[in-house]
Amino acid sequence: DAKTTQPPSMDCAEGRAANLPCNHSTISGNEYVYWYRQIHSQGPQYIIHGLKNNETNEMASLIITEDRKSSTLILPHATLRDTAVYYCIVAANTGNQFYFGTGTSLTVIP
Amino acid sequence: EAQVTQNPRYLITVTGKKLTVTCSQNMNHEYMSWYRQDPGLGLRQIYYSMNVEVTDKGDVPEGYKVSRKEKRNFPLILESPSPNQTSLYFCASSSPHNPGGTYNEQFFGPGTRLTVL
Repeated sequence: DAKTTQPPSMDCAEGRAANLPCNHSTISGNEYVYWYRQIHSQGPQYIIHGLKNNETNEMASLIITEDRKSSTLILPHATLRDTAVYYCIVAANTGNQFYFGTGTSLTVIP
Repeated sequence: EAQVTQNPRYLITVTGKKLTVTCSQNMNHEYMSWYRQDPGLGLRQIYYSMNVEVTDKGDVPEGYKVSRKEKRNFPLILESPSPNQTSLYFCASSSPHNPGGTYNEQFFGPGTRLTVL
């Protein structure tokens, strides 16, 4: 079963920051937070991951609360091409079962 | 180009006719995995493989088999397909040995849409 809770859908104006929340209140100490996105029915695309510290890469920023019970994925300047389903996943780095859940459908509005 | 390929991309078959969906990656990844995606259920893991000759069940393994005889290939076998296996299937691979890498930074294939009549 998915260990995360995400809103089913969100809208964001083009050019604005998209902030996608995720609750993972039962996260274990050795589990990372991963974010993926899936555009239409294409294969999911890895975005970013983190353990405790905030992380940033060329695609997005990941903010993890100090108690690690929730996180936020930030797309700083959303474009129409960012319209996709975004999945928040918590998993240990063991290669074992990886649960995607149903994600948040983000629509970027012109 | 680094990629995960799946074949076929689309398949319509009948109940009980054995089929194999192939998956191949050219990144020398140790870890490979199969998922199925159904409306309202998200992606669910079927089987995964940590390395050659090492496979394990995911969330929904019933009705499926896999093998990992070579590092690059991870075929998904449906011995006797049934209509409830109609779904969109994805193969993925990863390696924990890339700089900063973990098992869970997975590269996904383009998907195989299977219909079982």
